[in-house]
Amino acid sequence: NAGVTQTPKFRVLKTGQSMTLLCAQDMNHEYMYWYRQDPGMGLRLIHYSVGEGTTAKGEVPDGYNVSRLKKQNFLLGLESAAPSQTSVYFCASSFPGPPSSYNEQFFGPGTRLTVL
Amino acid sequence: DQQVKQNSPSLSVQEGRISILNCDYTNSMFDYFLWYKKYPAEGPTFLISISSIKDKNEDGRFTVFLNKSAKHLSLHIVPSQPGDSAVYFCAASRRDAGNMLTFGGGTRLMVKP
Repeated sequence: NAGVTQTPKFRVLKTGQSMTLLCAQDMNHEYMYWYRQDPGMGLRLIHYSVGEGTTAKGEVPDGYNVSRLKKQNFLLGLESAAPSQTSVYFCASSFPGPPSSYNEQFFGPGTRLTVL
Repeated sequence: DQQVKQNSPSLSVQEGRISILNCDYTNSMFDYFLWYKKYPAEGPTFLISISSIKDKNEDGRFTVFLNKSAKHLSLHIVPSQPGDSAVYFCAASRRDAGNMLTFGGGTRLMVKP
C-alpha cells in the first residue's frame, strides 16, 4: 500500500497564478484533511472532508477551495496565489470518528509551495 | 491565539538520558491529546495519545503525562536514542467539534550520541 501520496512535491508559483494539489489515499478512509505548516505555527487545518462529495472549512480556509469527487482523492486549489500562501501543505486521511490511538490520521509527505 | 502551545522550539539531550517535551493548552474542552513525530521531508506520524480521563499513558520508551488542572501535558522519552531526533508536535481534539486536531508549534529534539 502506498498510504497517502501527494502531487507535486515542490512547486514555485508567481503571485496570481493558480494551481491544484492532489492527494490520494489507498486505505479506504472516509475522512480526508488538508493542513498547512508554517514555522512556529504547527499544522493548521485548511479544509476537510468526511466523505465523497462533502467538504467543510477548517481553521484557515480563506484563499483555498477543495473538492472530493472520489473517495480516494482530495484536491486543494489555489485560485490566485499570494506570497502568504508560501508554506508546506500536508494531506491526511483517517477512518470516521474521533482521533485516537485506534484512529490515527495518516499524513502524506507534503508539498512545498513557494509563491513569489 | 494559539490554543495549543509548545514553548520550547528546540531541545538537545545526550543519548541514554531522558527527553521531556512539554505542551500547554488553553481550551478546557479538549478531551483527547496526541503526540506526532516528524522527520525532515516526511509527514507527521502518530506516536502516542492520552484521553482526558487518564493522567498517564505508557508505550515502551514513551510516556505521556496529563495534568488537567494545569492544562499541561508532557512527553517523556527514556532512554533517548539518536533516532529519536525529530520534530515533535502536540495536538488536541474535541469530540464535540468535528474531531479536528489543533496542533502546537512543535519542538525539535536533537539526541546527541
